[in-house]
Amino acid sequence: SQKIEQNSEALNIQEGKTATLTCNYTNYSPAYLQWYRQDPGRGPVFLLLIRENEKEKRKERLKVTFDTTLKQSLFHITASQPADSATYLCALGDWGKLQFGAGTQVVVTP
Amino acid sequence: GAVVSQHPSWVICKSGTSVKIECRSLDFQATTMFWYRQFPKQSLMLMATSNEGSKATYEQGVEKDKFLINHASLTLSTLTVTSAHPEDSSFYICSAGDDVDYTFGSGTRLTVV
Repeated sequence: SQKIEQNSEALNIQEGKTATLTCNYTNYSPAYLQWYRQDPGRGPVFLLLIRENEKEKRKERLKVTFDTTLKQSLFHITASQPADSATYLCALGDWGKLQFGAGTQVVVTP
Repeated sequence: GAVVSQHPSWVICKSGTSVKIECRSLDFQATTMFWYRQFPKQSLMLMATSNEGSKATYEQGVEKDKFLINHASLTLSTLTVTSAHPEDSSFYICSAGDDVDYTFGSGTRLTVV
């Protein structure tokens, strides 16, 4: 069956450092992968989409890599800020019909 | 940007009663809406796909008679949890889009007591 795995342990990081999150998947051949941010009691907010033919994508302080051979995506938050504290989800699927990982909580301390 | 509104944001109901959750696309027409459920510390799980004017398609293991979905217009889909039980307590989230871009609602916290 298709599986998406993210680190279940919270990532505690000091303000200004880079947070790196991992998303591994099995039994998928995705054309693209998405990353979302979810705050407590809120719906996910779309951050980035990376296609299979893209190795890396950036948006402001966010960077995503996609290795279809390793079946892995890395999500980086550079120069992290306390406002970046949230749970980050990776997702695979066809446009709106998505399968999500369980998410990794990031806590940025001043 | 696209805005999707969910109502109510939270609801408490008694076991055995029914609860209706609304999902509205405020500034665009949504040909397709999706309903997800999220239990604490778990990932979002897709429950069903809702297409305007046709019957919803349910994921395996989701009871269609318990979770009634109506998508009567291009801007509104409703999810009714019938005869709710405490195990139905969860966070319900919709997403709406136009086949390419999708936006999530803010979610509805359902507590069945």
